[in-house]
Amino acid sequence: GAVVSQHPSWVICKSGTSVKIECRSLDFQATTMFWYRQFPKQSLMLMATSNEGSKATYEQGVEKDKFLINHASLTLSTLTVTSAHPEDSSFYICSVHPGLAGVNTGELFFGEGSRLTVL
Amino acid sequence: GQQLNQSPQSMFIQEGEDVSMNCTSSSIFNTWLWYKQDPGEGPVLLIALYKAGELTSNGRLTAQFGITRKDSFLNISASIPSDVGIYFCAGRGMYSGGGADGLTFGKGTHLIIQP
Repeated sequence: GAVVSQHPSWVICKSGTSVKIECRSLDFQATTMFWYRQFPKQSLMLMATSNEGSKATYEQGVEKDKFLINHASLTLSTLTVTSAHPEDSSFYICSVHPGLAGVNTGELFFGEGSRLTVL
Repeated sequence: GQQLNQSPQSMFIQEGEDVSMNCTSSSIFNTWLWYKQDPGEGPVLLIALYKAGELTSNGRLTAQFGITRKDSFLNISASIPSDVGIYFCAGRGMYSGGGADGLTFGKGTHLIIQP
């Protein structure tokens, strides 16, 4: 399966600061990546689709100015939580879908996740 | 939209016991995926199913794609402590639905093993 790496794995920041989370596809070029948010003991909630070379597509209810997504290369997407507040504290996970690159698979592969704590 | 019900929500079992969990959908799926998530980690793909009736094993894990295309189950035999975690099913609809990633996720089954 695809190898996806996230960095940092955890971050603590003060309220009002911005935090950047990186998602890298290590073994194939991903034109599309996905970003999720997960609260404790809950399922994954899709936030946005990161598109290489174009604007991200956000799910309903997700503030695009709050969660900035940049997909500048075929192997890297970044999620920046701007002016973070305690309610933004969560577990953020990215994923890639090799099938979208033409590979015959319907599977989705996830990064290790990034735990954000805003004080 | 598509709805996916995963049960049970949580399981408390003794080490060595077998485990069974399932997901049912309100619509037809053409792909079923089963993931395991350890605390503080991202989900890891366990088994992928693509055909109705398909039965696939991965070690002590066995999953089946229901004949009706609306359900799937995951069994774990002879559970061990490292099986603890959250198990998610995810389905890809036959025609449309799900998120932009094409998937609808179950709410997860929390597996807790008592030694």
